[in-house]
Amino acid sequence: DQQVKQNSPSLSVQEGRISILNCDYTNSMFDYFLWYKKYPAEGPTFLISISSIKDKNEDGRFTVFLNKSAKHLSLHIVPSQPGDSAVYFCAASAEGGTASKLTFGTGTRLQVTL
Amino acid sequence: DTGVSQDPRHKITKRGQNVTFRCDPISEHNRLYWYRQTLGQGPEFLTYFQNEAQLEKSRLLSDRFSAERPKGSFSTLEIQRTEQGDSAMYLCASGILLGNTEAFFGQGTRLTVV
Repeated sequence: DQQVKQNSPSLSVQEGRISILNCDYTNSMFDYFLWYKKYPAEGPTFLISISSIKDKNEDGRFTVFLNKSAKHLSLHIVPSQPGDSAVYFCAASAEGGTASKLTFGTGTRLQVTL
Repeated sequence: DTGVSQDPRHKITKRGQNVTFRCDPISEHNRLYWYRQTLGQGPEFLTYFQNEAQLEKSRLLSDRFSAERPKGSFSTLEIQRTEQGDSAMYLCASGILLGNTEAFFGQGTRLTVV
């Protein structure tokens, strides 16, 4: 039962353009959503999060949008840079806050090309 | 304190052997999580501790798996009678529940059962 789904296993974007990574969830109890970035042979590193009481959160080049009615969130990276090439995981929590138990999606591999 | 530390980074073992992994969290963190990641999947929750108390175990954690966090500091994850299906990356994360940052992940222990 995959409660958090990332339906695009991979995405290729040109440097300078916008990257849009999508995530869908099924559990209505999720109230906190996060994006993690992972390089090979490293653990995931936190990127950006959003509480269910918001519909947008922005941090520099990264913006996360949440559509609760559609149970959908997306991560926008603009402009995309080669260093953004990594696997991005969407994660969700039902504990409403930081450092809580997470349910992860299967990841989207982003490649930013020159 | 340089972050969450996991040891060993890599472990190759023969089927049927026991293995033990160690996680040293960031010192003031009261929450400690274990996740498992297999190829093409996101991290899957195994268990977590609030200080020294183990509060939840996933159904993925068969009775061959045991985790401890004595004195609420480091944690160990032991797998008895390893099987080839146990081959995965084992990730540890720590954080302060409802603190001002998300959980930090270690670099993981990659287990290969041959």
